[in-house]
Amino acid sequence: NAGVMQNPRHLVRRRGQEARLRCSPMKGHSHVYWYRQLPEEGLKFMVYLQKENIIDESGMPKERFSAEFPKEGPSILRIQQVVRGDSAAYFCASSSGRSPNGYTFGSGTRLTVV
Amino acid sequence: AQTVTQSQPEMSVQEAETVTLSCTYDTSENNYYLFWYKQPPSRQMILVIRQEAYKQQNATENRFSVNFQKAAKSFSLKISDSQLGDTAMYFCAFMKQGGSEKLVFGKGTKLTVNP
Repeated sequence: NAGVMQNPRHLVRRRGQEARLRCSPMKGHSHVYWYRQLPEEGLKFMVYLQKENIIDESGMPKERFSAEFPKEGPSILRIQQVVRGDSAAYFCASSSGRSPNGYTFGSGTRLTVV
Repeated sequence: AQTVTQSQPEMSVQEAETVTLSCTYDTSENNYYLFWYKQPPSRQMILVIRQEAYKQQNATENRFSVNFQKAAKSFSLKISDSQLGDTAMYFCAFMKQGGSEKLVFGKGTKLTVNP
């Protein structure tokens, strides 16, 4: 069981470029969560998805950010026209939805905008 | 909205000794879960222990135990026989039962275990 896989581990983008972060949930998990961790802060919820559906996006910035979890393939968090303030660690977590065991986190993608 | 407060930005402890990390939270919910996560320098978020609010008995996992005081909305983590590998950031988190089951995190406590 490979766990939650996130890639890339590190991503550098220039201001104005697009960033695409990928998350493959654990085998058998159909629920995916994205969190953002700013320096010296705890993780902040962004979005919760089930296969092909966004369930809760209350933590997503209104502009430039989008997320998807297609029927086939990984979940994608997309940030368009990145700015320096987007620099952070982005974590994905997955669960089976059956028991709230705090689910399983990936190792995160550290995005640096230069 | 729920909030989680960790009032100790940094703590240190000698190897083999005991340390307690504090966490308080604010909620109007009656059914919820509380968690402690460990984040070592590798950045991986590791679940340390969880507590269901409806259970009066404090959760225990080997050297880790909690002191859950529901009326006071307090959820402290005790680490006994501290080991060098316990050095990490520790985050307290809240999850409302039902709904989207998203976690609300505190800002964390940086724990250093000294040899």
